[in-house]
Amino acid sequence: DGGITQSPKYLFRKEGQNVTLSCEQNLNHDAMYWYRQDPGQGLRLIYYSQIVNDFQKGDIAEGYSVSREKKESFPLTVTSAQKNPTAFYLCASSRWAGTSNQPQHFGDGTRLSIL
Amino acid sequence: QQPVQSPQAVILREGEDAVINCSSSKALYSVHWYRQKHGEAPVFLMILLKGGEQKGHEKISASFNEKKQQSSLYLTASQLSYSGTYFCGTEIEASGSRLTFGEGTQLTVNP
Repeated sequence: DGGITQSPKYLFRKEGQNVTLSCEQNLNHDAMYWYRQDPGQGLRLIYYSQIVNDFQKGDIAEGYSVSREKKESFPLTVTSAQKNPTAFYLCASSRWAGTSNQPQHFGDGTRLSIL
Repeated sequence: QQPVQSPQAVILREGEDAVINCSSSKALYSVHWYRQKHGEAPVFLMILLKGGEQKGHEKISASFNEKKQQSSLYLTASQLSYSGTYFCGTEIEASGSRLTFGEGTQLTVNP
């Protein structure tokens, strides 16, 4: 079955530590996205990538970094510079056809908390 | 610019109808609708494009008023499974699905 796999499901971060959230898709989608969701809030875009080896900052990129070395993988690193990392992190992907009629497919998310 | 959704929450009895609105202060190119159940991933419902037609999905349909920069999601004869938080994601230019999401509308359907 095609889909998006995020791991781990739960993650705990210690003070001053960088942590990496994994996102893998086997949908052959070109575009991938990372969102942050706080309780009772909508989704806020952290980073997105439309093609391998290229990515753009979203609305809340500070304290985060990404890489896109392979089409199917888009890991997100939450750095120690992100002072309030506790949130639900969602990865998504979509076909990139240069148009807007492509839905985004989401993974099951990673819940990150501070120890 | 984050779109504004209204209402923030709505409670229905099974079989009742609801309308959820999504408004933007900027001209919209497309509007995407998603439903998220608690602790789960959002699930795609439909996309409305500028100049496109009203869409339908089972008993859920949506419209897109370009002049008002607003989209409305219509849920008719609601079922228990419709409970969840509904989000609209808006695109203000043809950026290829870079979306800005509203804060969501929490819908509860009771028996």
